[in-house]
Order: sequence, then C-alpha cells, then structure tokens
Amino acid sequence: NAGVTQTPKFQVLKTGQSMTLQCAQDMNHEYMSWYRQDPGMGLRLIHYSVGAGITDQGEVPNGYNVSRSTTEDFPLRLLSAAPSQTSVYFCASSYNGGQQETQYFGPGTRLLVL
Amino acid sequence: GDSVTQMEGPVTLSEEAFLTINCTYTATGYPSLFWYVQYPGEGLQLLLKATKADDKGSNKGFEATYRKETTSFHLEKGSVQVSDSAVYFCALSEEEYGNKLVFGAGTILRVKS
Repeated sequence: NAGVTQTPKFQVLKTGQSMTLQCAQDMNHEYMSWYRQDPGMGLRLIHYSVGAGITDQGEVPNGYNVSRSTTEDFPLRLLSAAPSQTSVYFCASSYNGGQQETQYFGPGTRLLVL
Repeated sequence: GDSVTQMEGPVTLSEEAFLTINCTYTATGYPSLFWYVQYPGEGLQLLLKATKADDKGSNKGFEATYRKETTSFHLEKGSVQVSDSAVYFCALSEEEYGNKLVFGAGTILRVKS
C-alpha cells in the first residue's frame, strides 16, 4: 500500500493564480481531511469529508474548495491564491473518522504564494 | 471550544537524557488523546494514543498517561536518542465536535550526541 500520497511536493504561485493540490489514499478510508501547518500554530483543519459526495468546512475554510467524487481522491483547490495561503498542506485519512481512530498523513505540499 | 496547549520549544537535550513534553487540554466531554511525531521533511505519524482516563499509551520507549483530573497528557521518554529529533504534536479528538483532530502548536525536540 502506498498509504496517503500528495502532489506536488512543492509549488510556487503568484497572487491570483489557481491550483489544485492532489491527495489520494489506497486504504479504502471513508474519512479524509486537509490541514495547513503554520509556524507556532500547529495544524488547522481546512475541509473534511466523511465519504464520497460529502464534504464540510473545518476551522479555516476561506479561500479553499474541495470535492469528493471517489473514495480514493480528495483534491484541494485554491481559486485565487493569496500570500496568506503560503503554508505546508497535509492531507490525512482514517477509516471512518471515529474519535479513537488514528489518522494517516501524507508527506505534505509546501506552497509559496508570491 | 476544545484546545490543546503544549510547552514551547525548542527543547534541546543530550543523548540519553530524560524527556518530558507537557501537554494540557480543554474539552467539554471525554476526548481521545494523541501524540503525533513529524520527522524532518515528512508528514505526521501517530506515536501513541489513549482513549479513556488513566490509560497509558506507549510506543518506541515513549509513554503518556491520560490524566482527567489534571487534563494532561504529558509525553515522557527515559533516554532519548539523536534519532528522536523531531516535532511532537499533542492532539485531541472529541465526538461532540465531530471527531475532528485539534492540535497543539508542536514542540521541536533536538537531541545532541
């Protein structure tokens, strides 16, 4: 199993550009989520999904869109990038999002918005 | 809402020293508690967890006990190694808040040989 994979590893954008961060998992997990990691702030939840066709907002959703058309994939879209979105982005998955479950994280995408 | 507070770092120790990283939490109910570790250039991975009061999680020589009376989940290791150098995150998950993981700010650990 590859686990949780993310592409690209690193991206530089100009303000106003759009892009999609890809996330895929091969563990047949229902629950998937996106976090951003900023210095001194830990990880903050952007969006999450409890299954194909179902998504919801997390703590910091503004400026990001998601969709979940398959169990395996959960892309994160930046429609108009801003410097405040410079961060490291992690995708995670778990079996069905239960309170006691371990979440499995991808290796991250480092995004720089100029 | 729920929150997690960790001791600020970085923490710098010599090899074989004793490690404690403090973690306290605020929650309305009975959360599950986790320690995740992030090695340089990698994503987070679970180090250990505890799902009810007085449970002790342990892995790779690390331990943490779920203390409801002090709302704490401190991470300890008796003898650290250079390979333990990483960022350590305390986190909680609570059903009342949709089981979303709430993270502390993270503590950088540097172990010198």
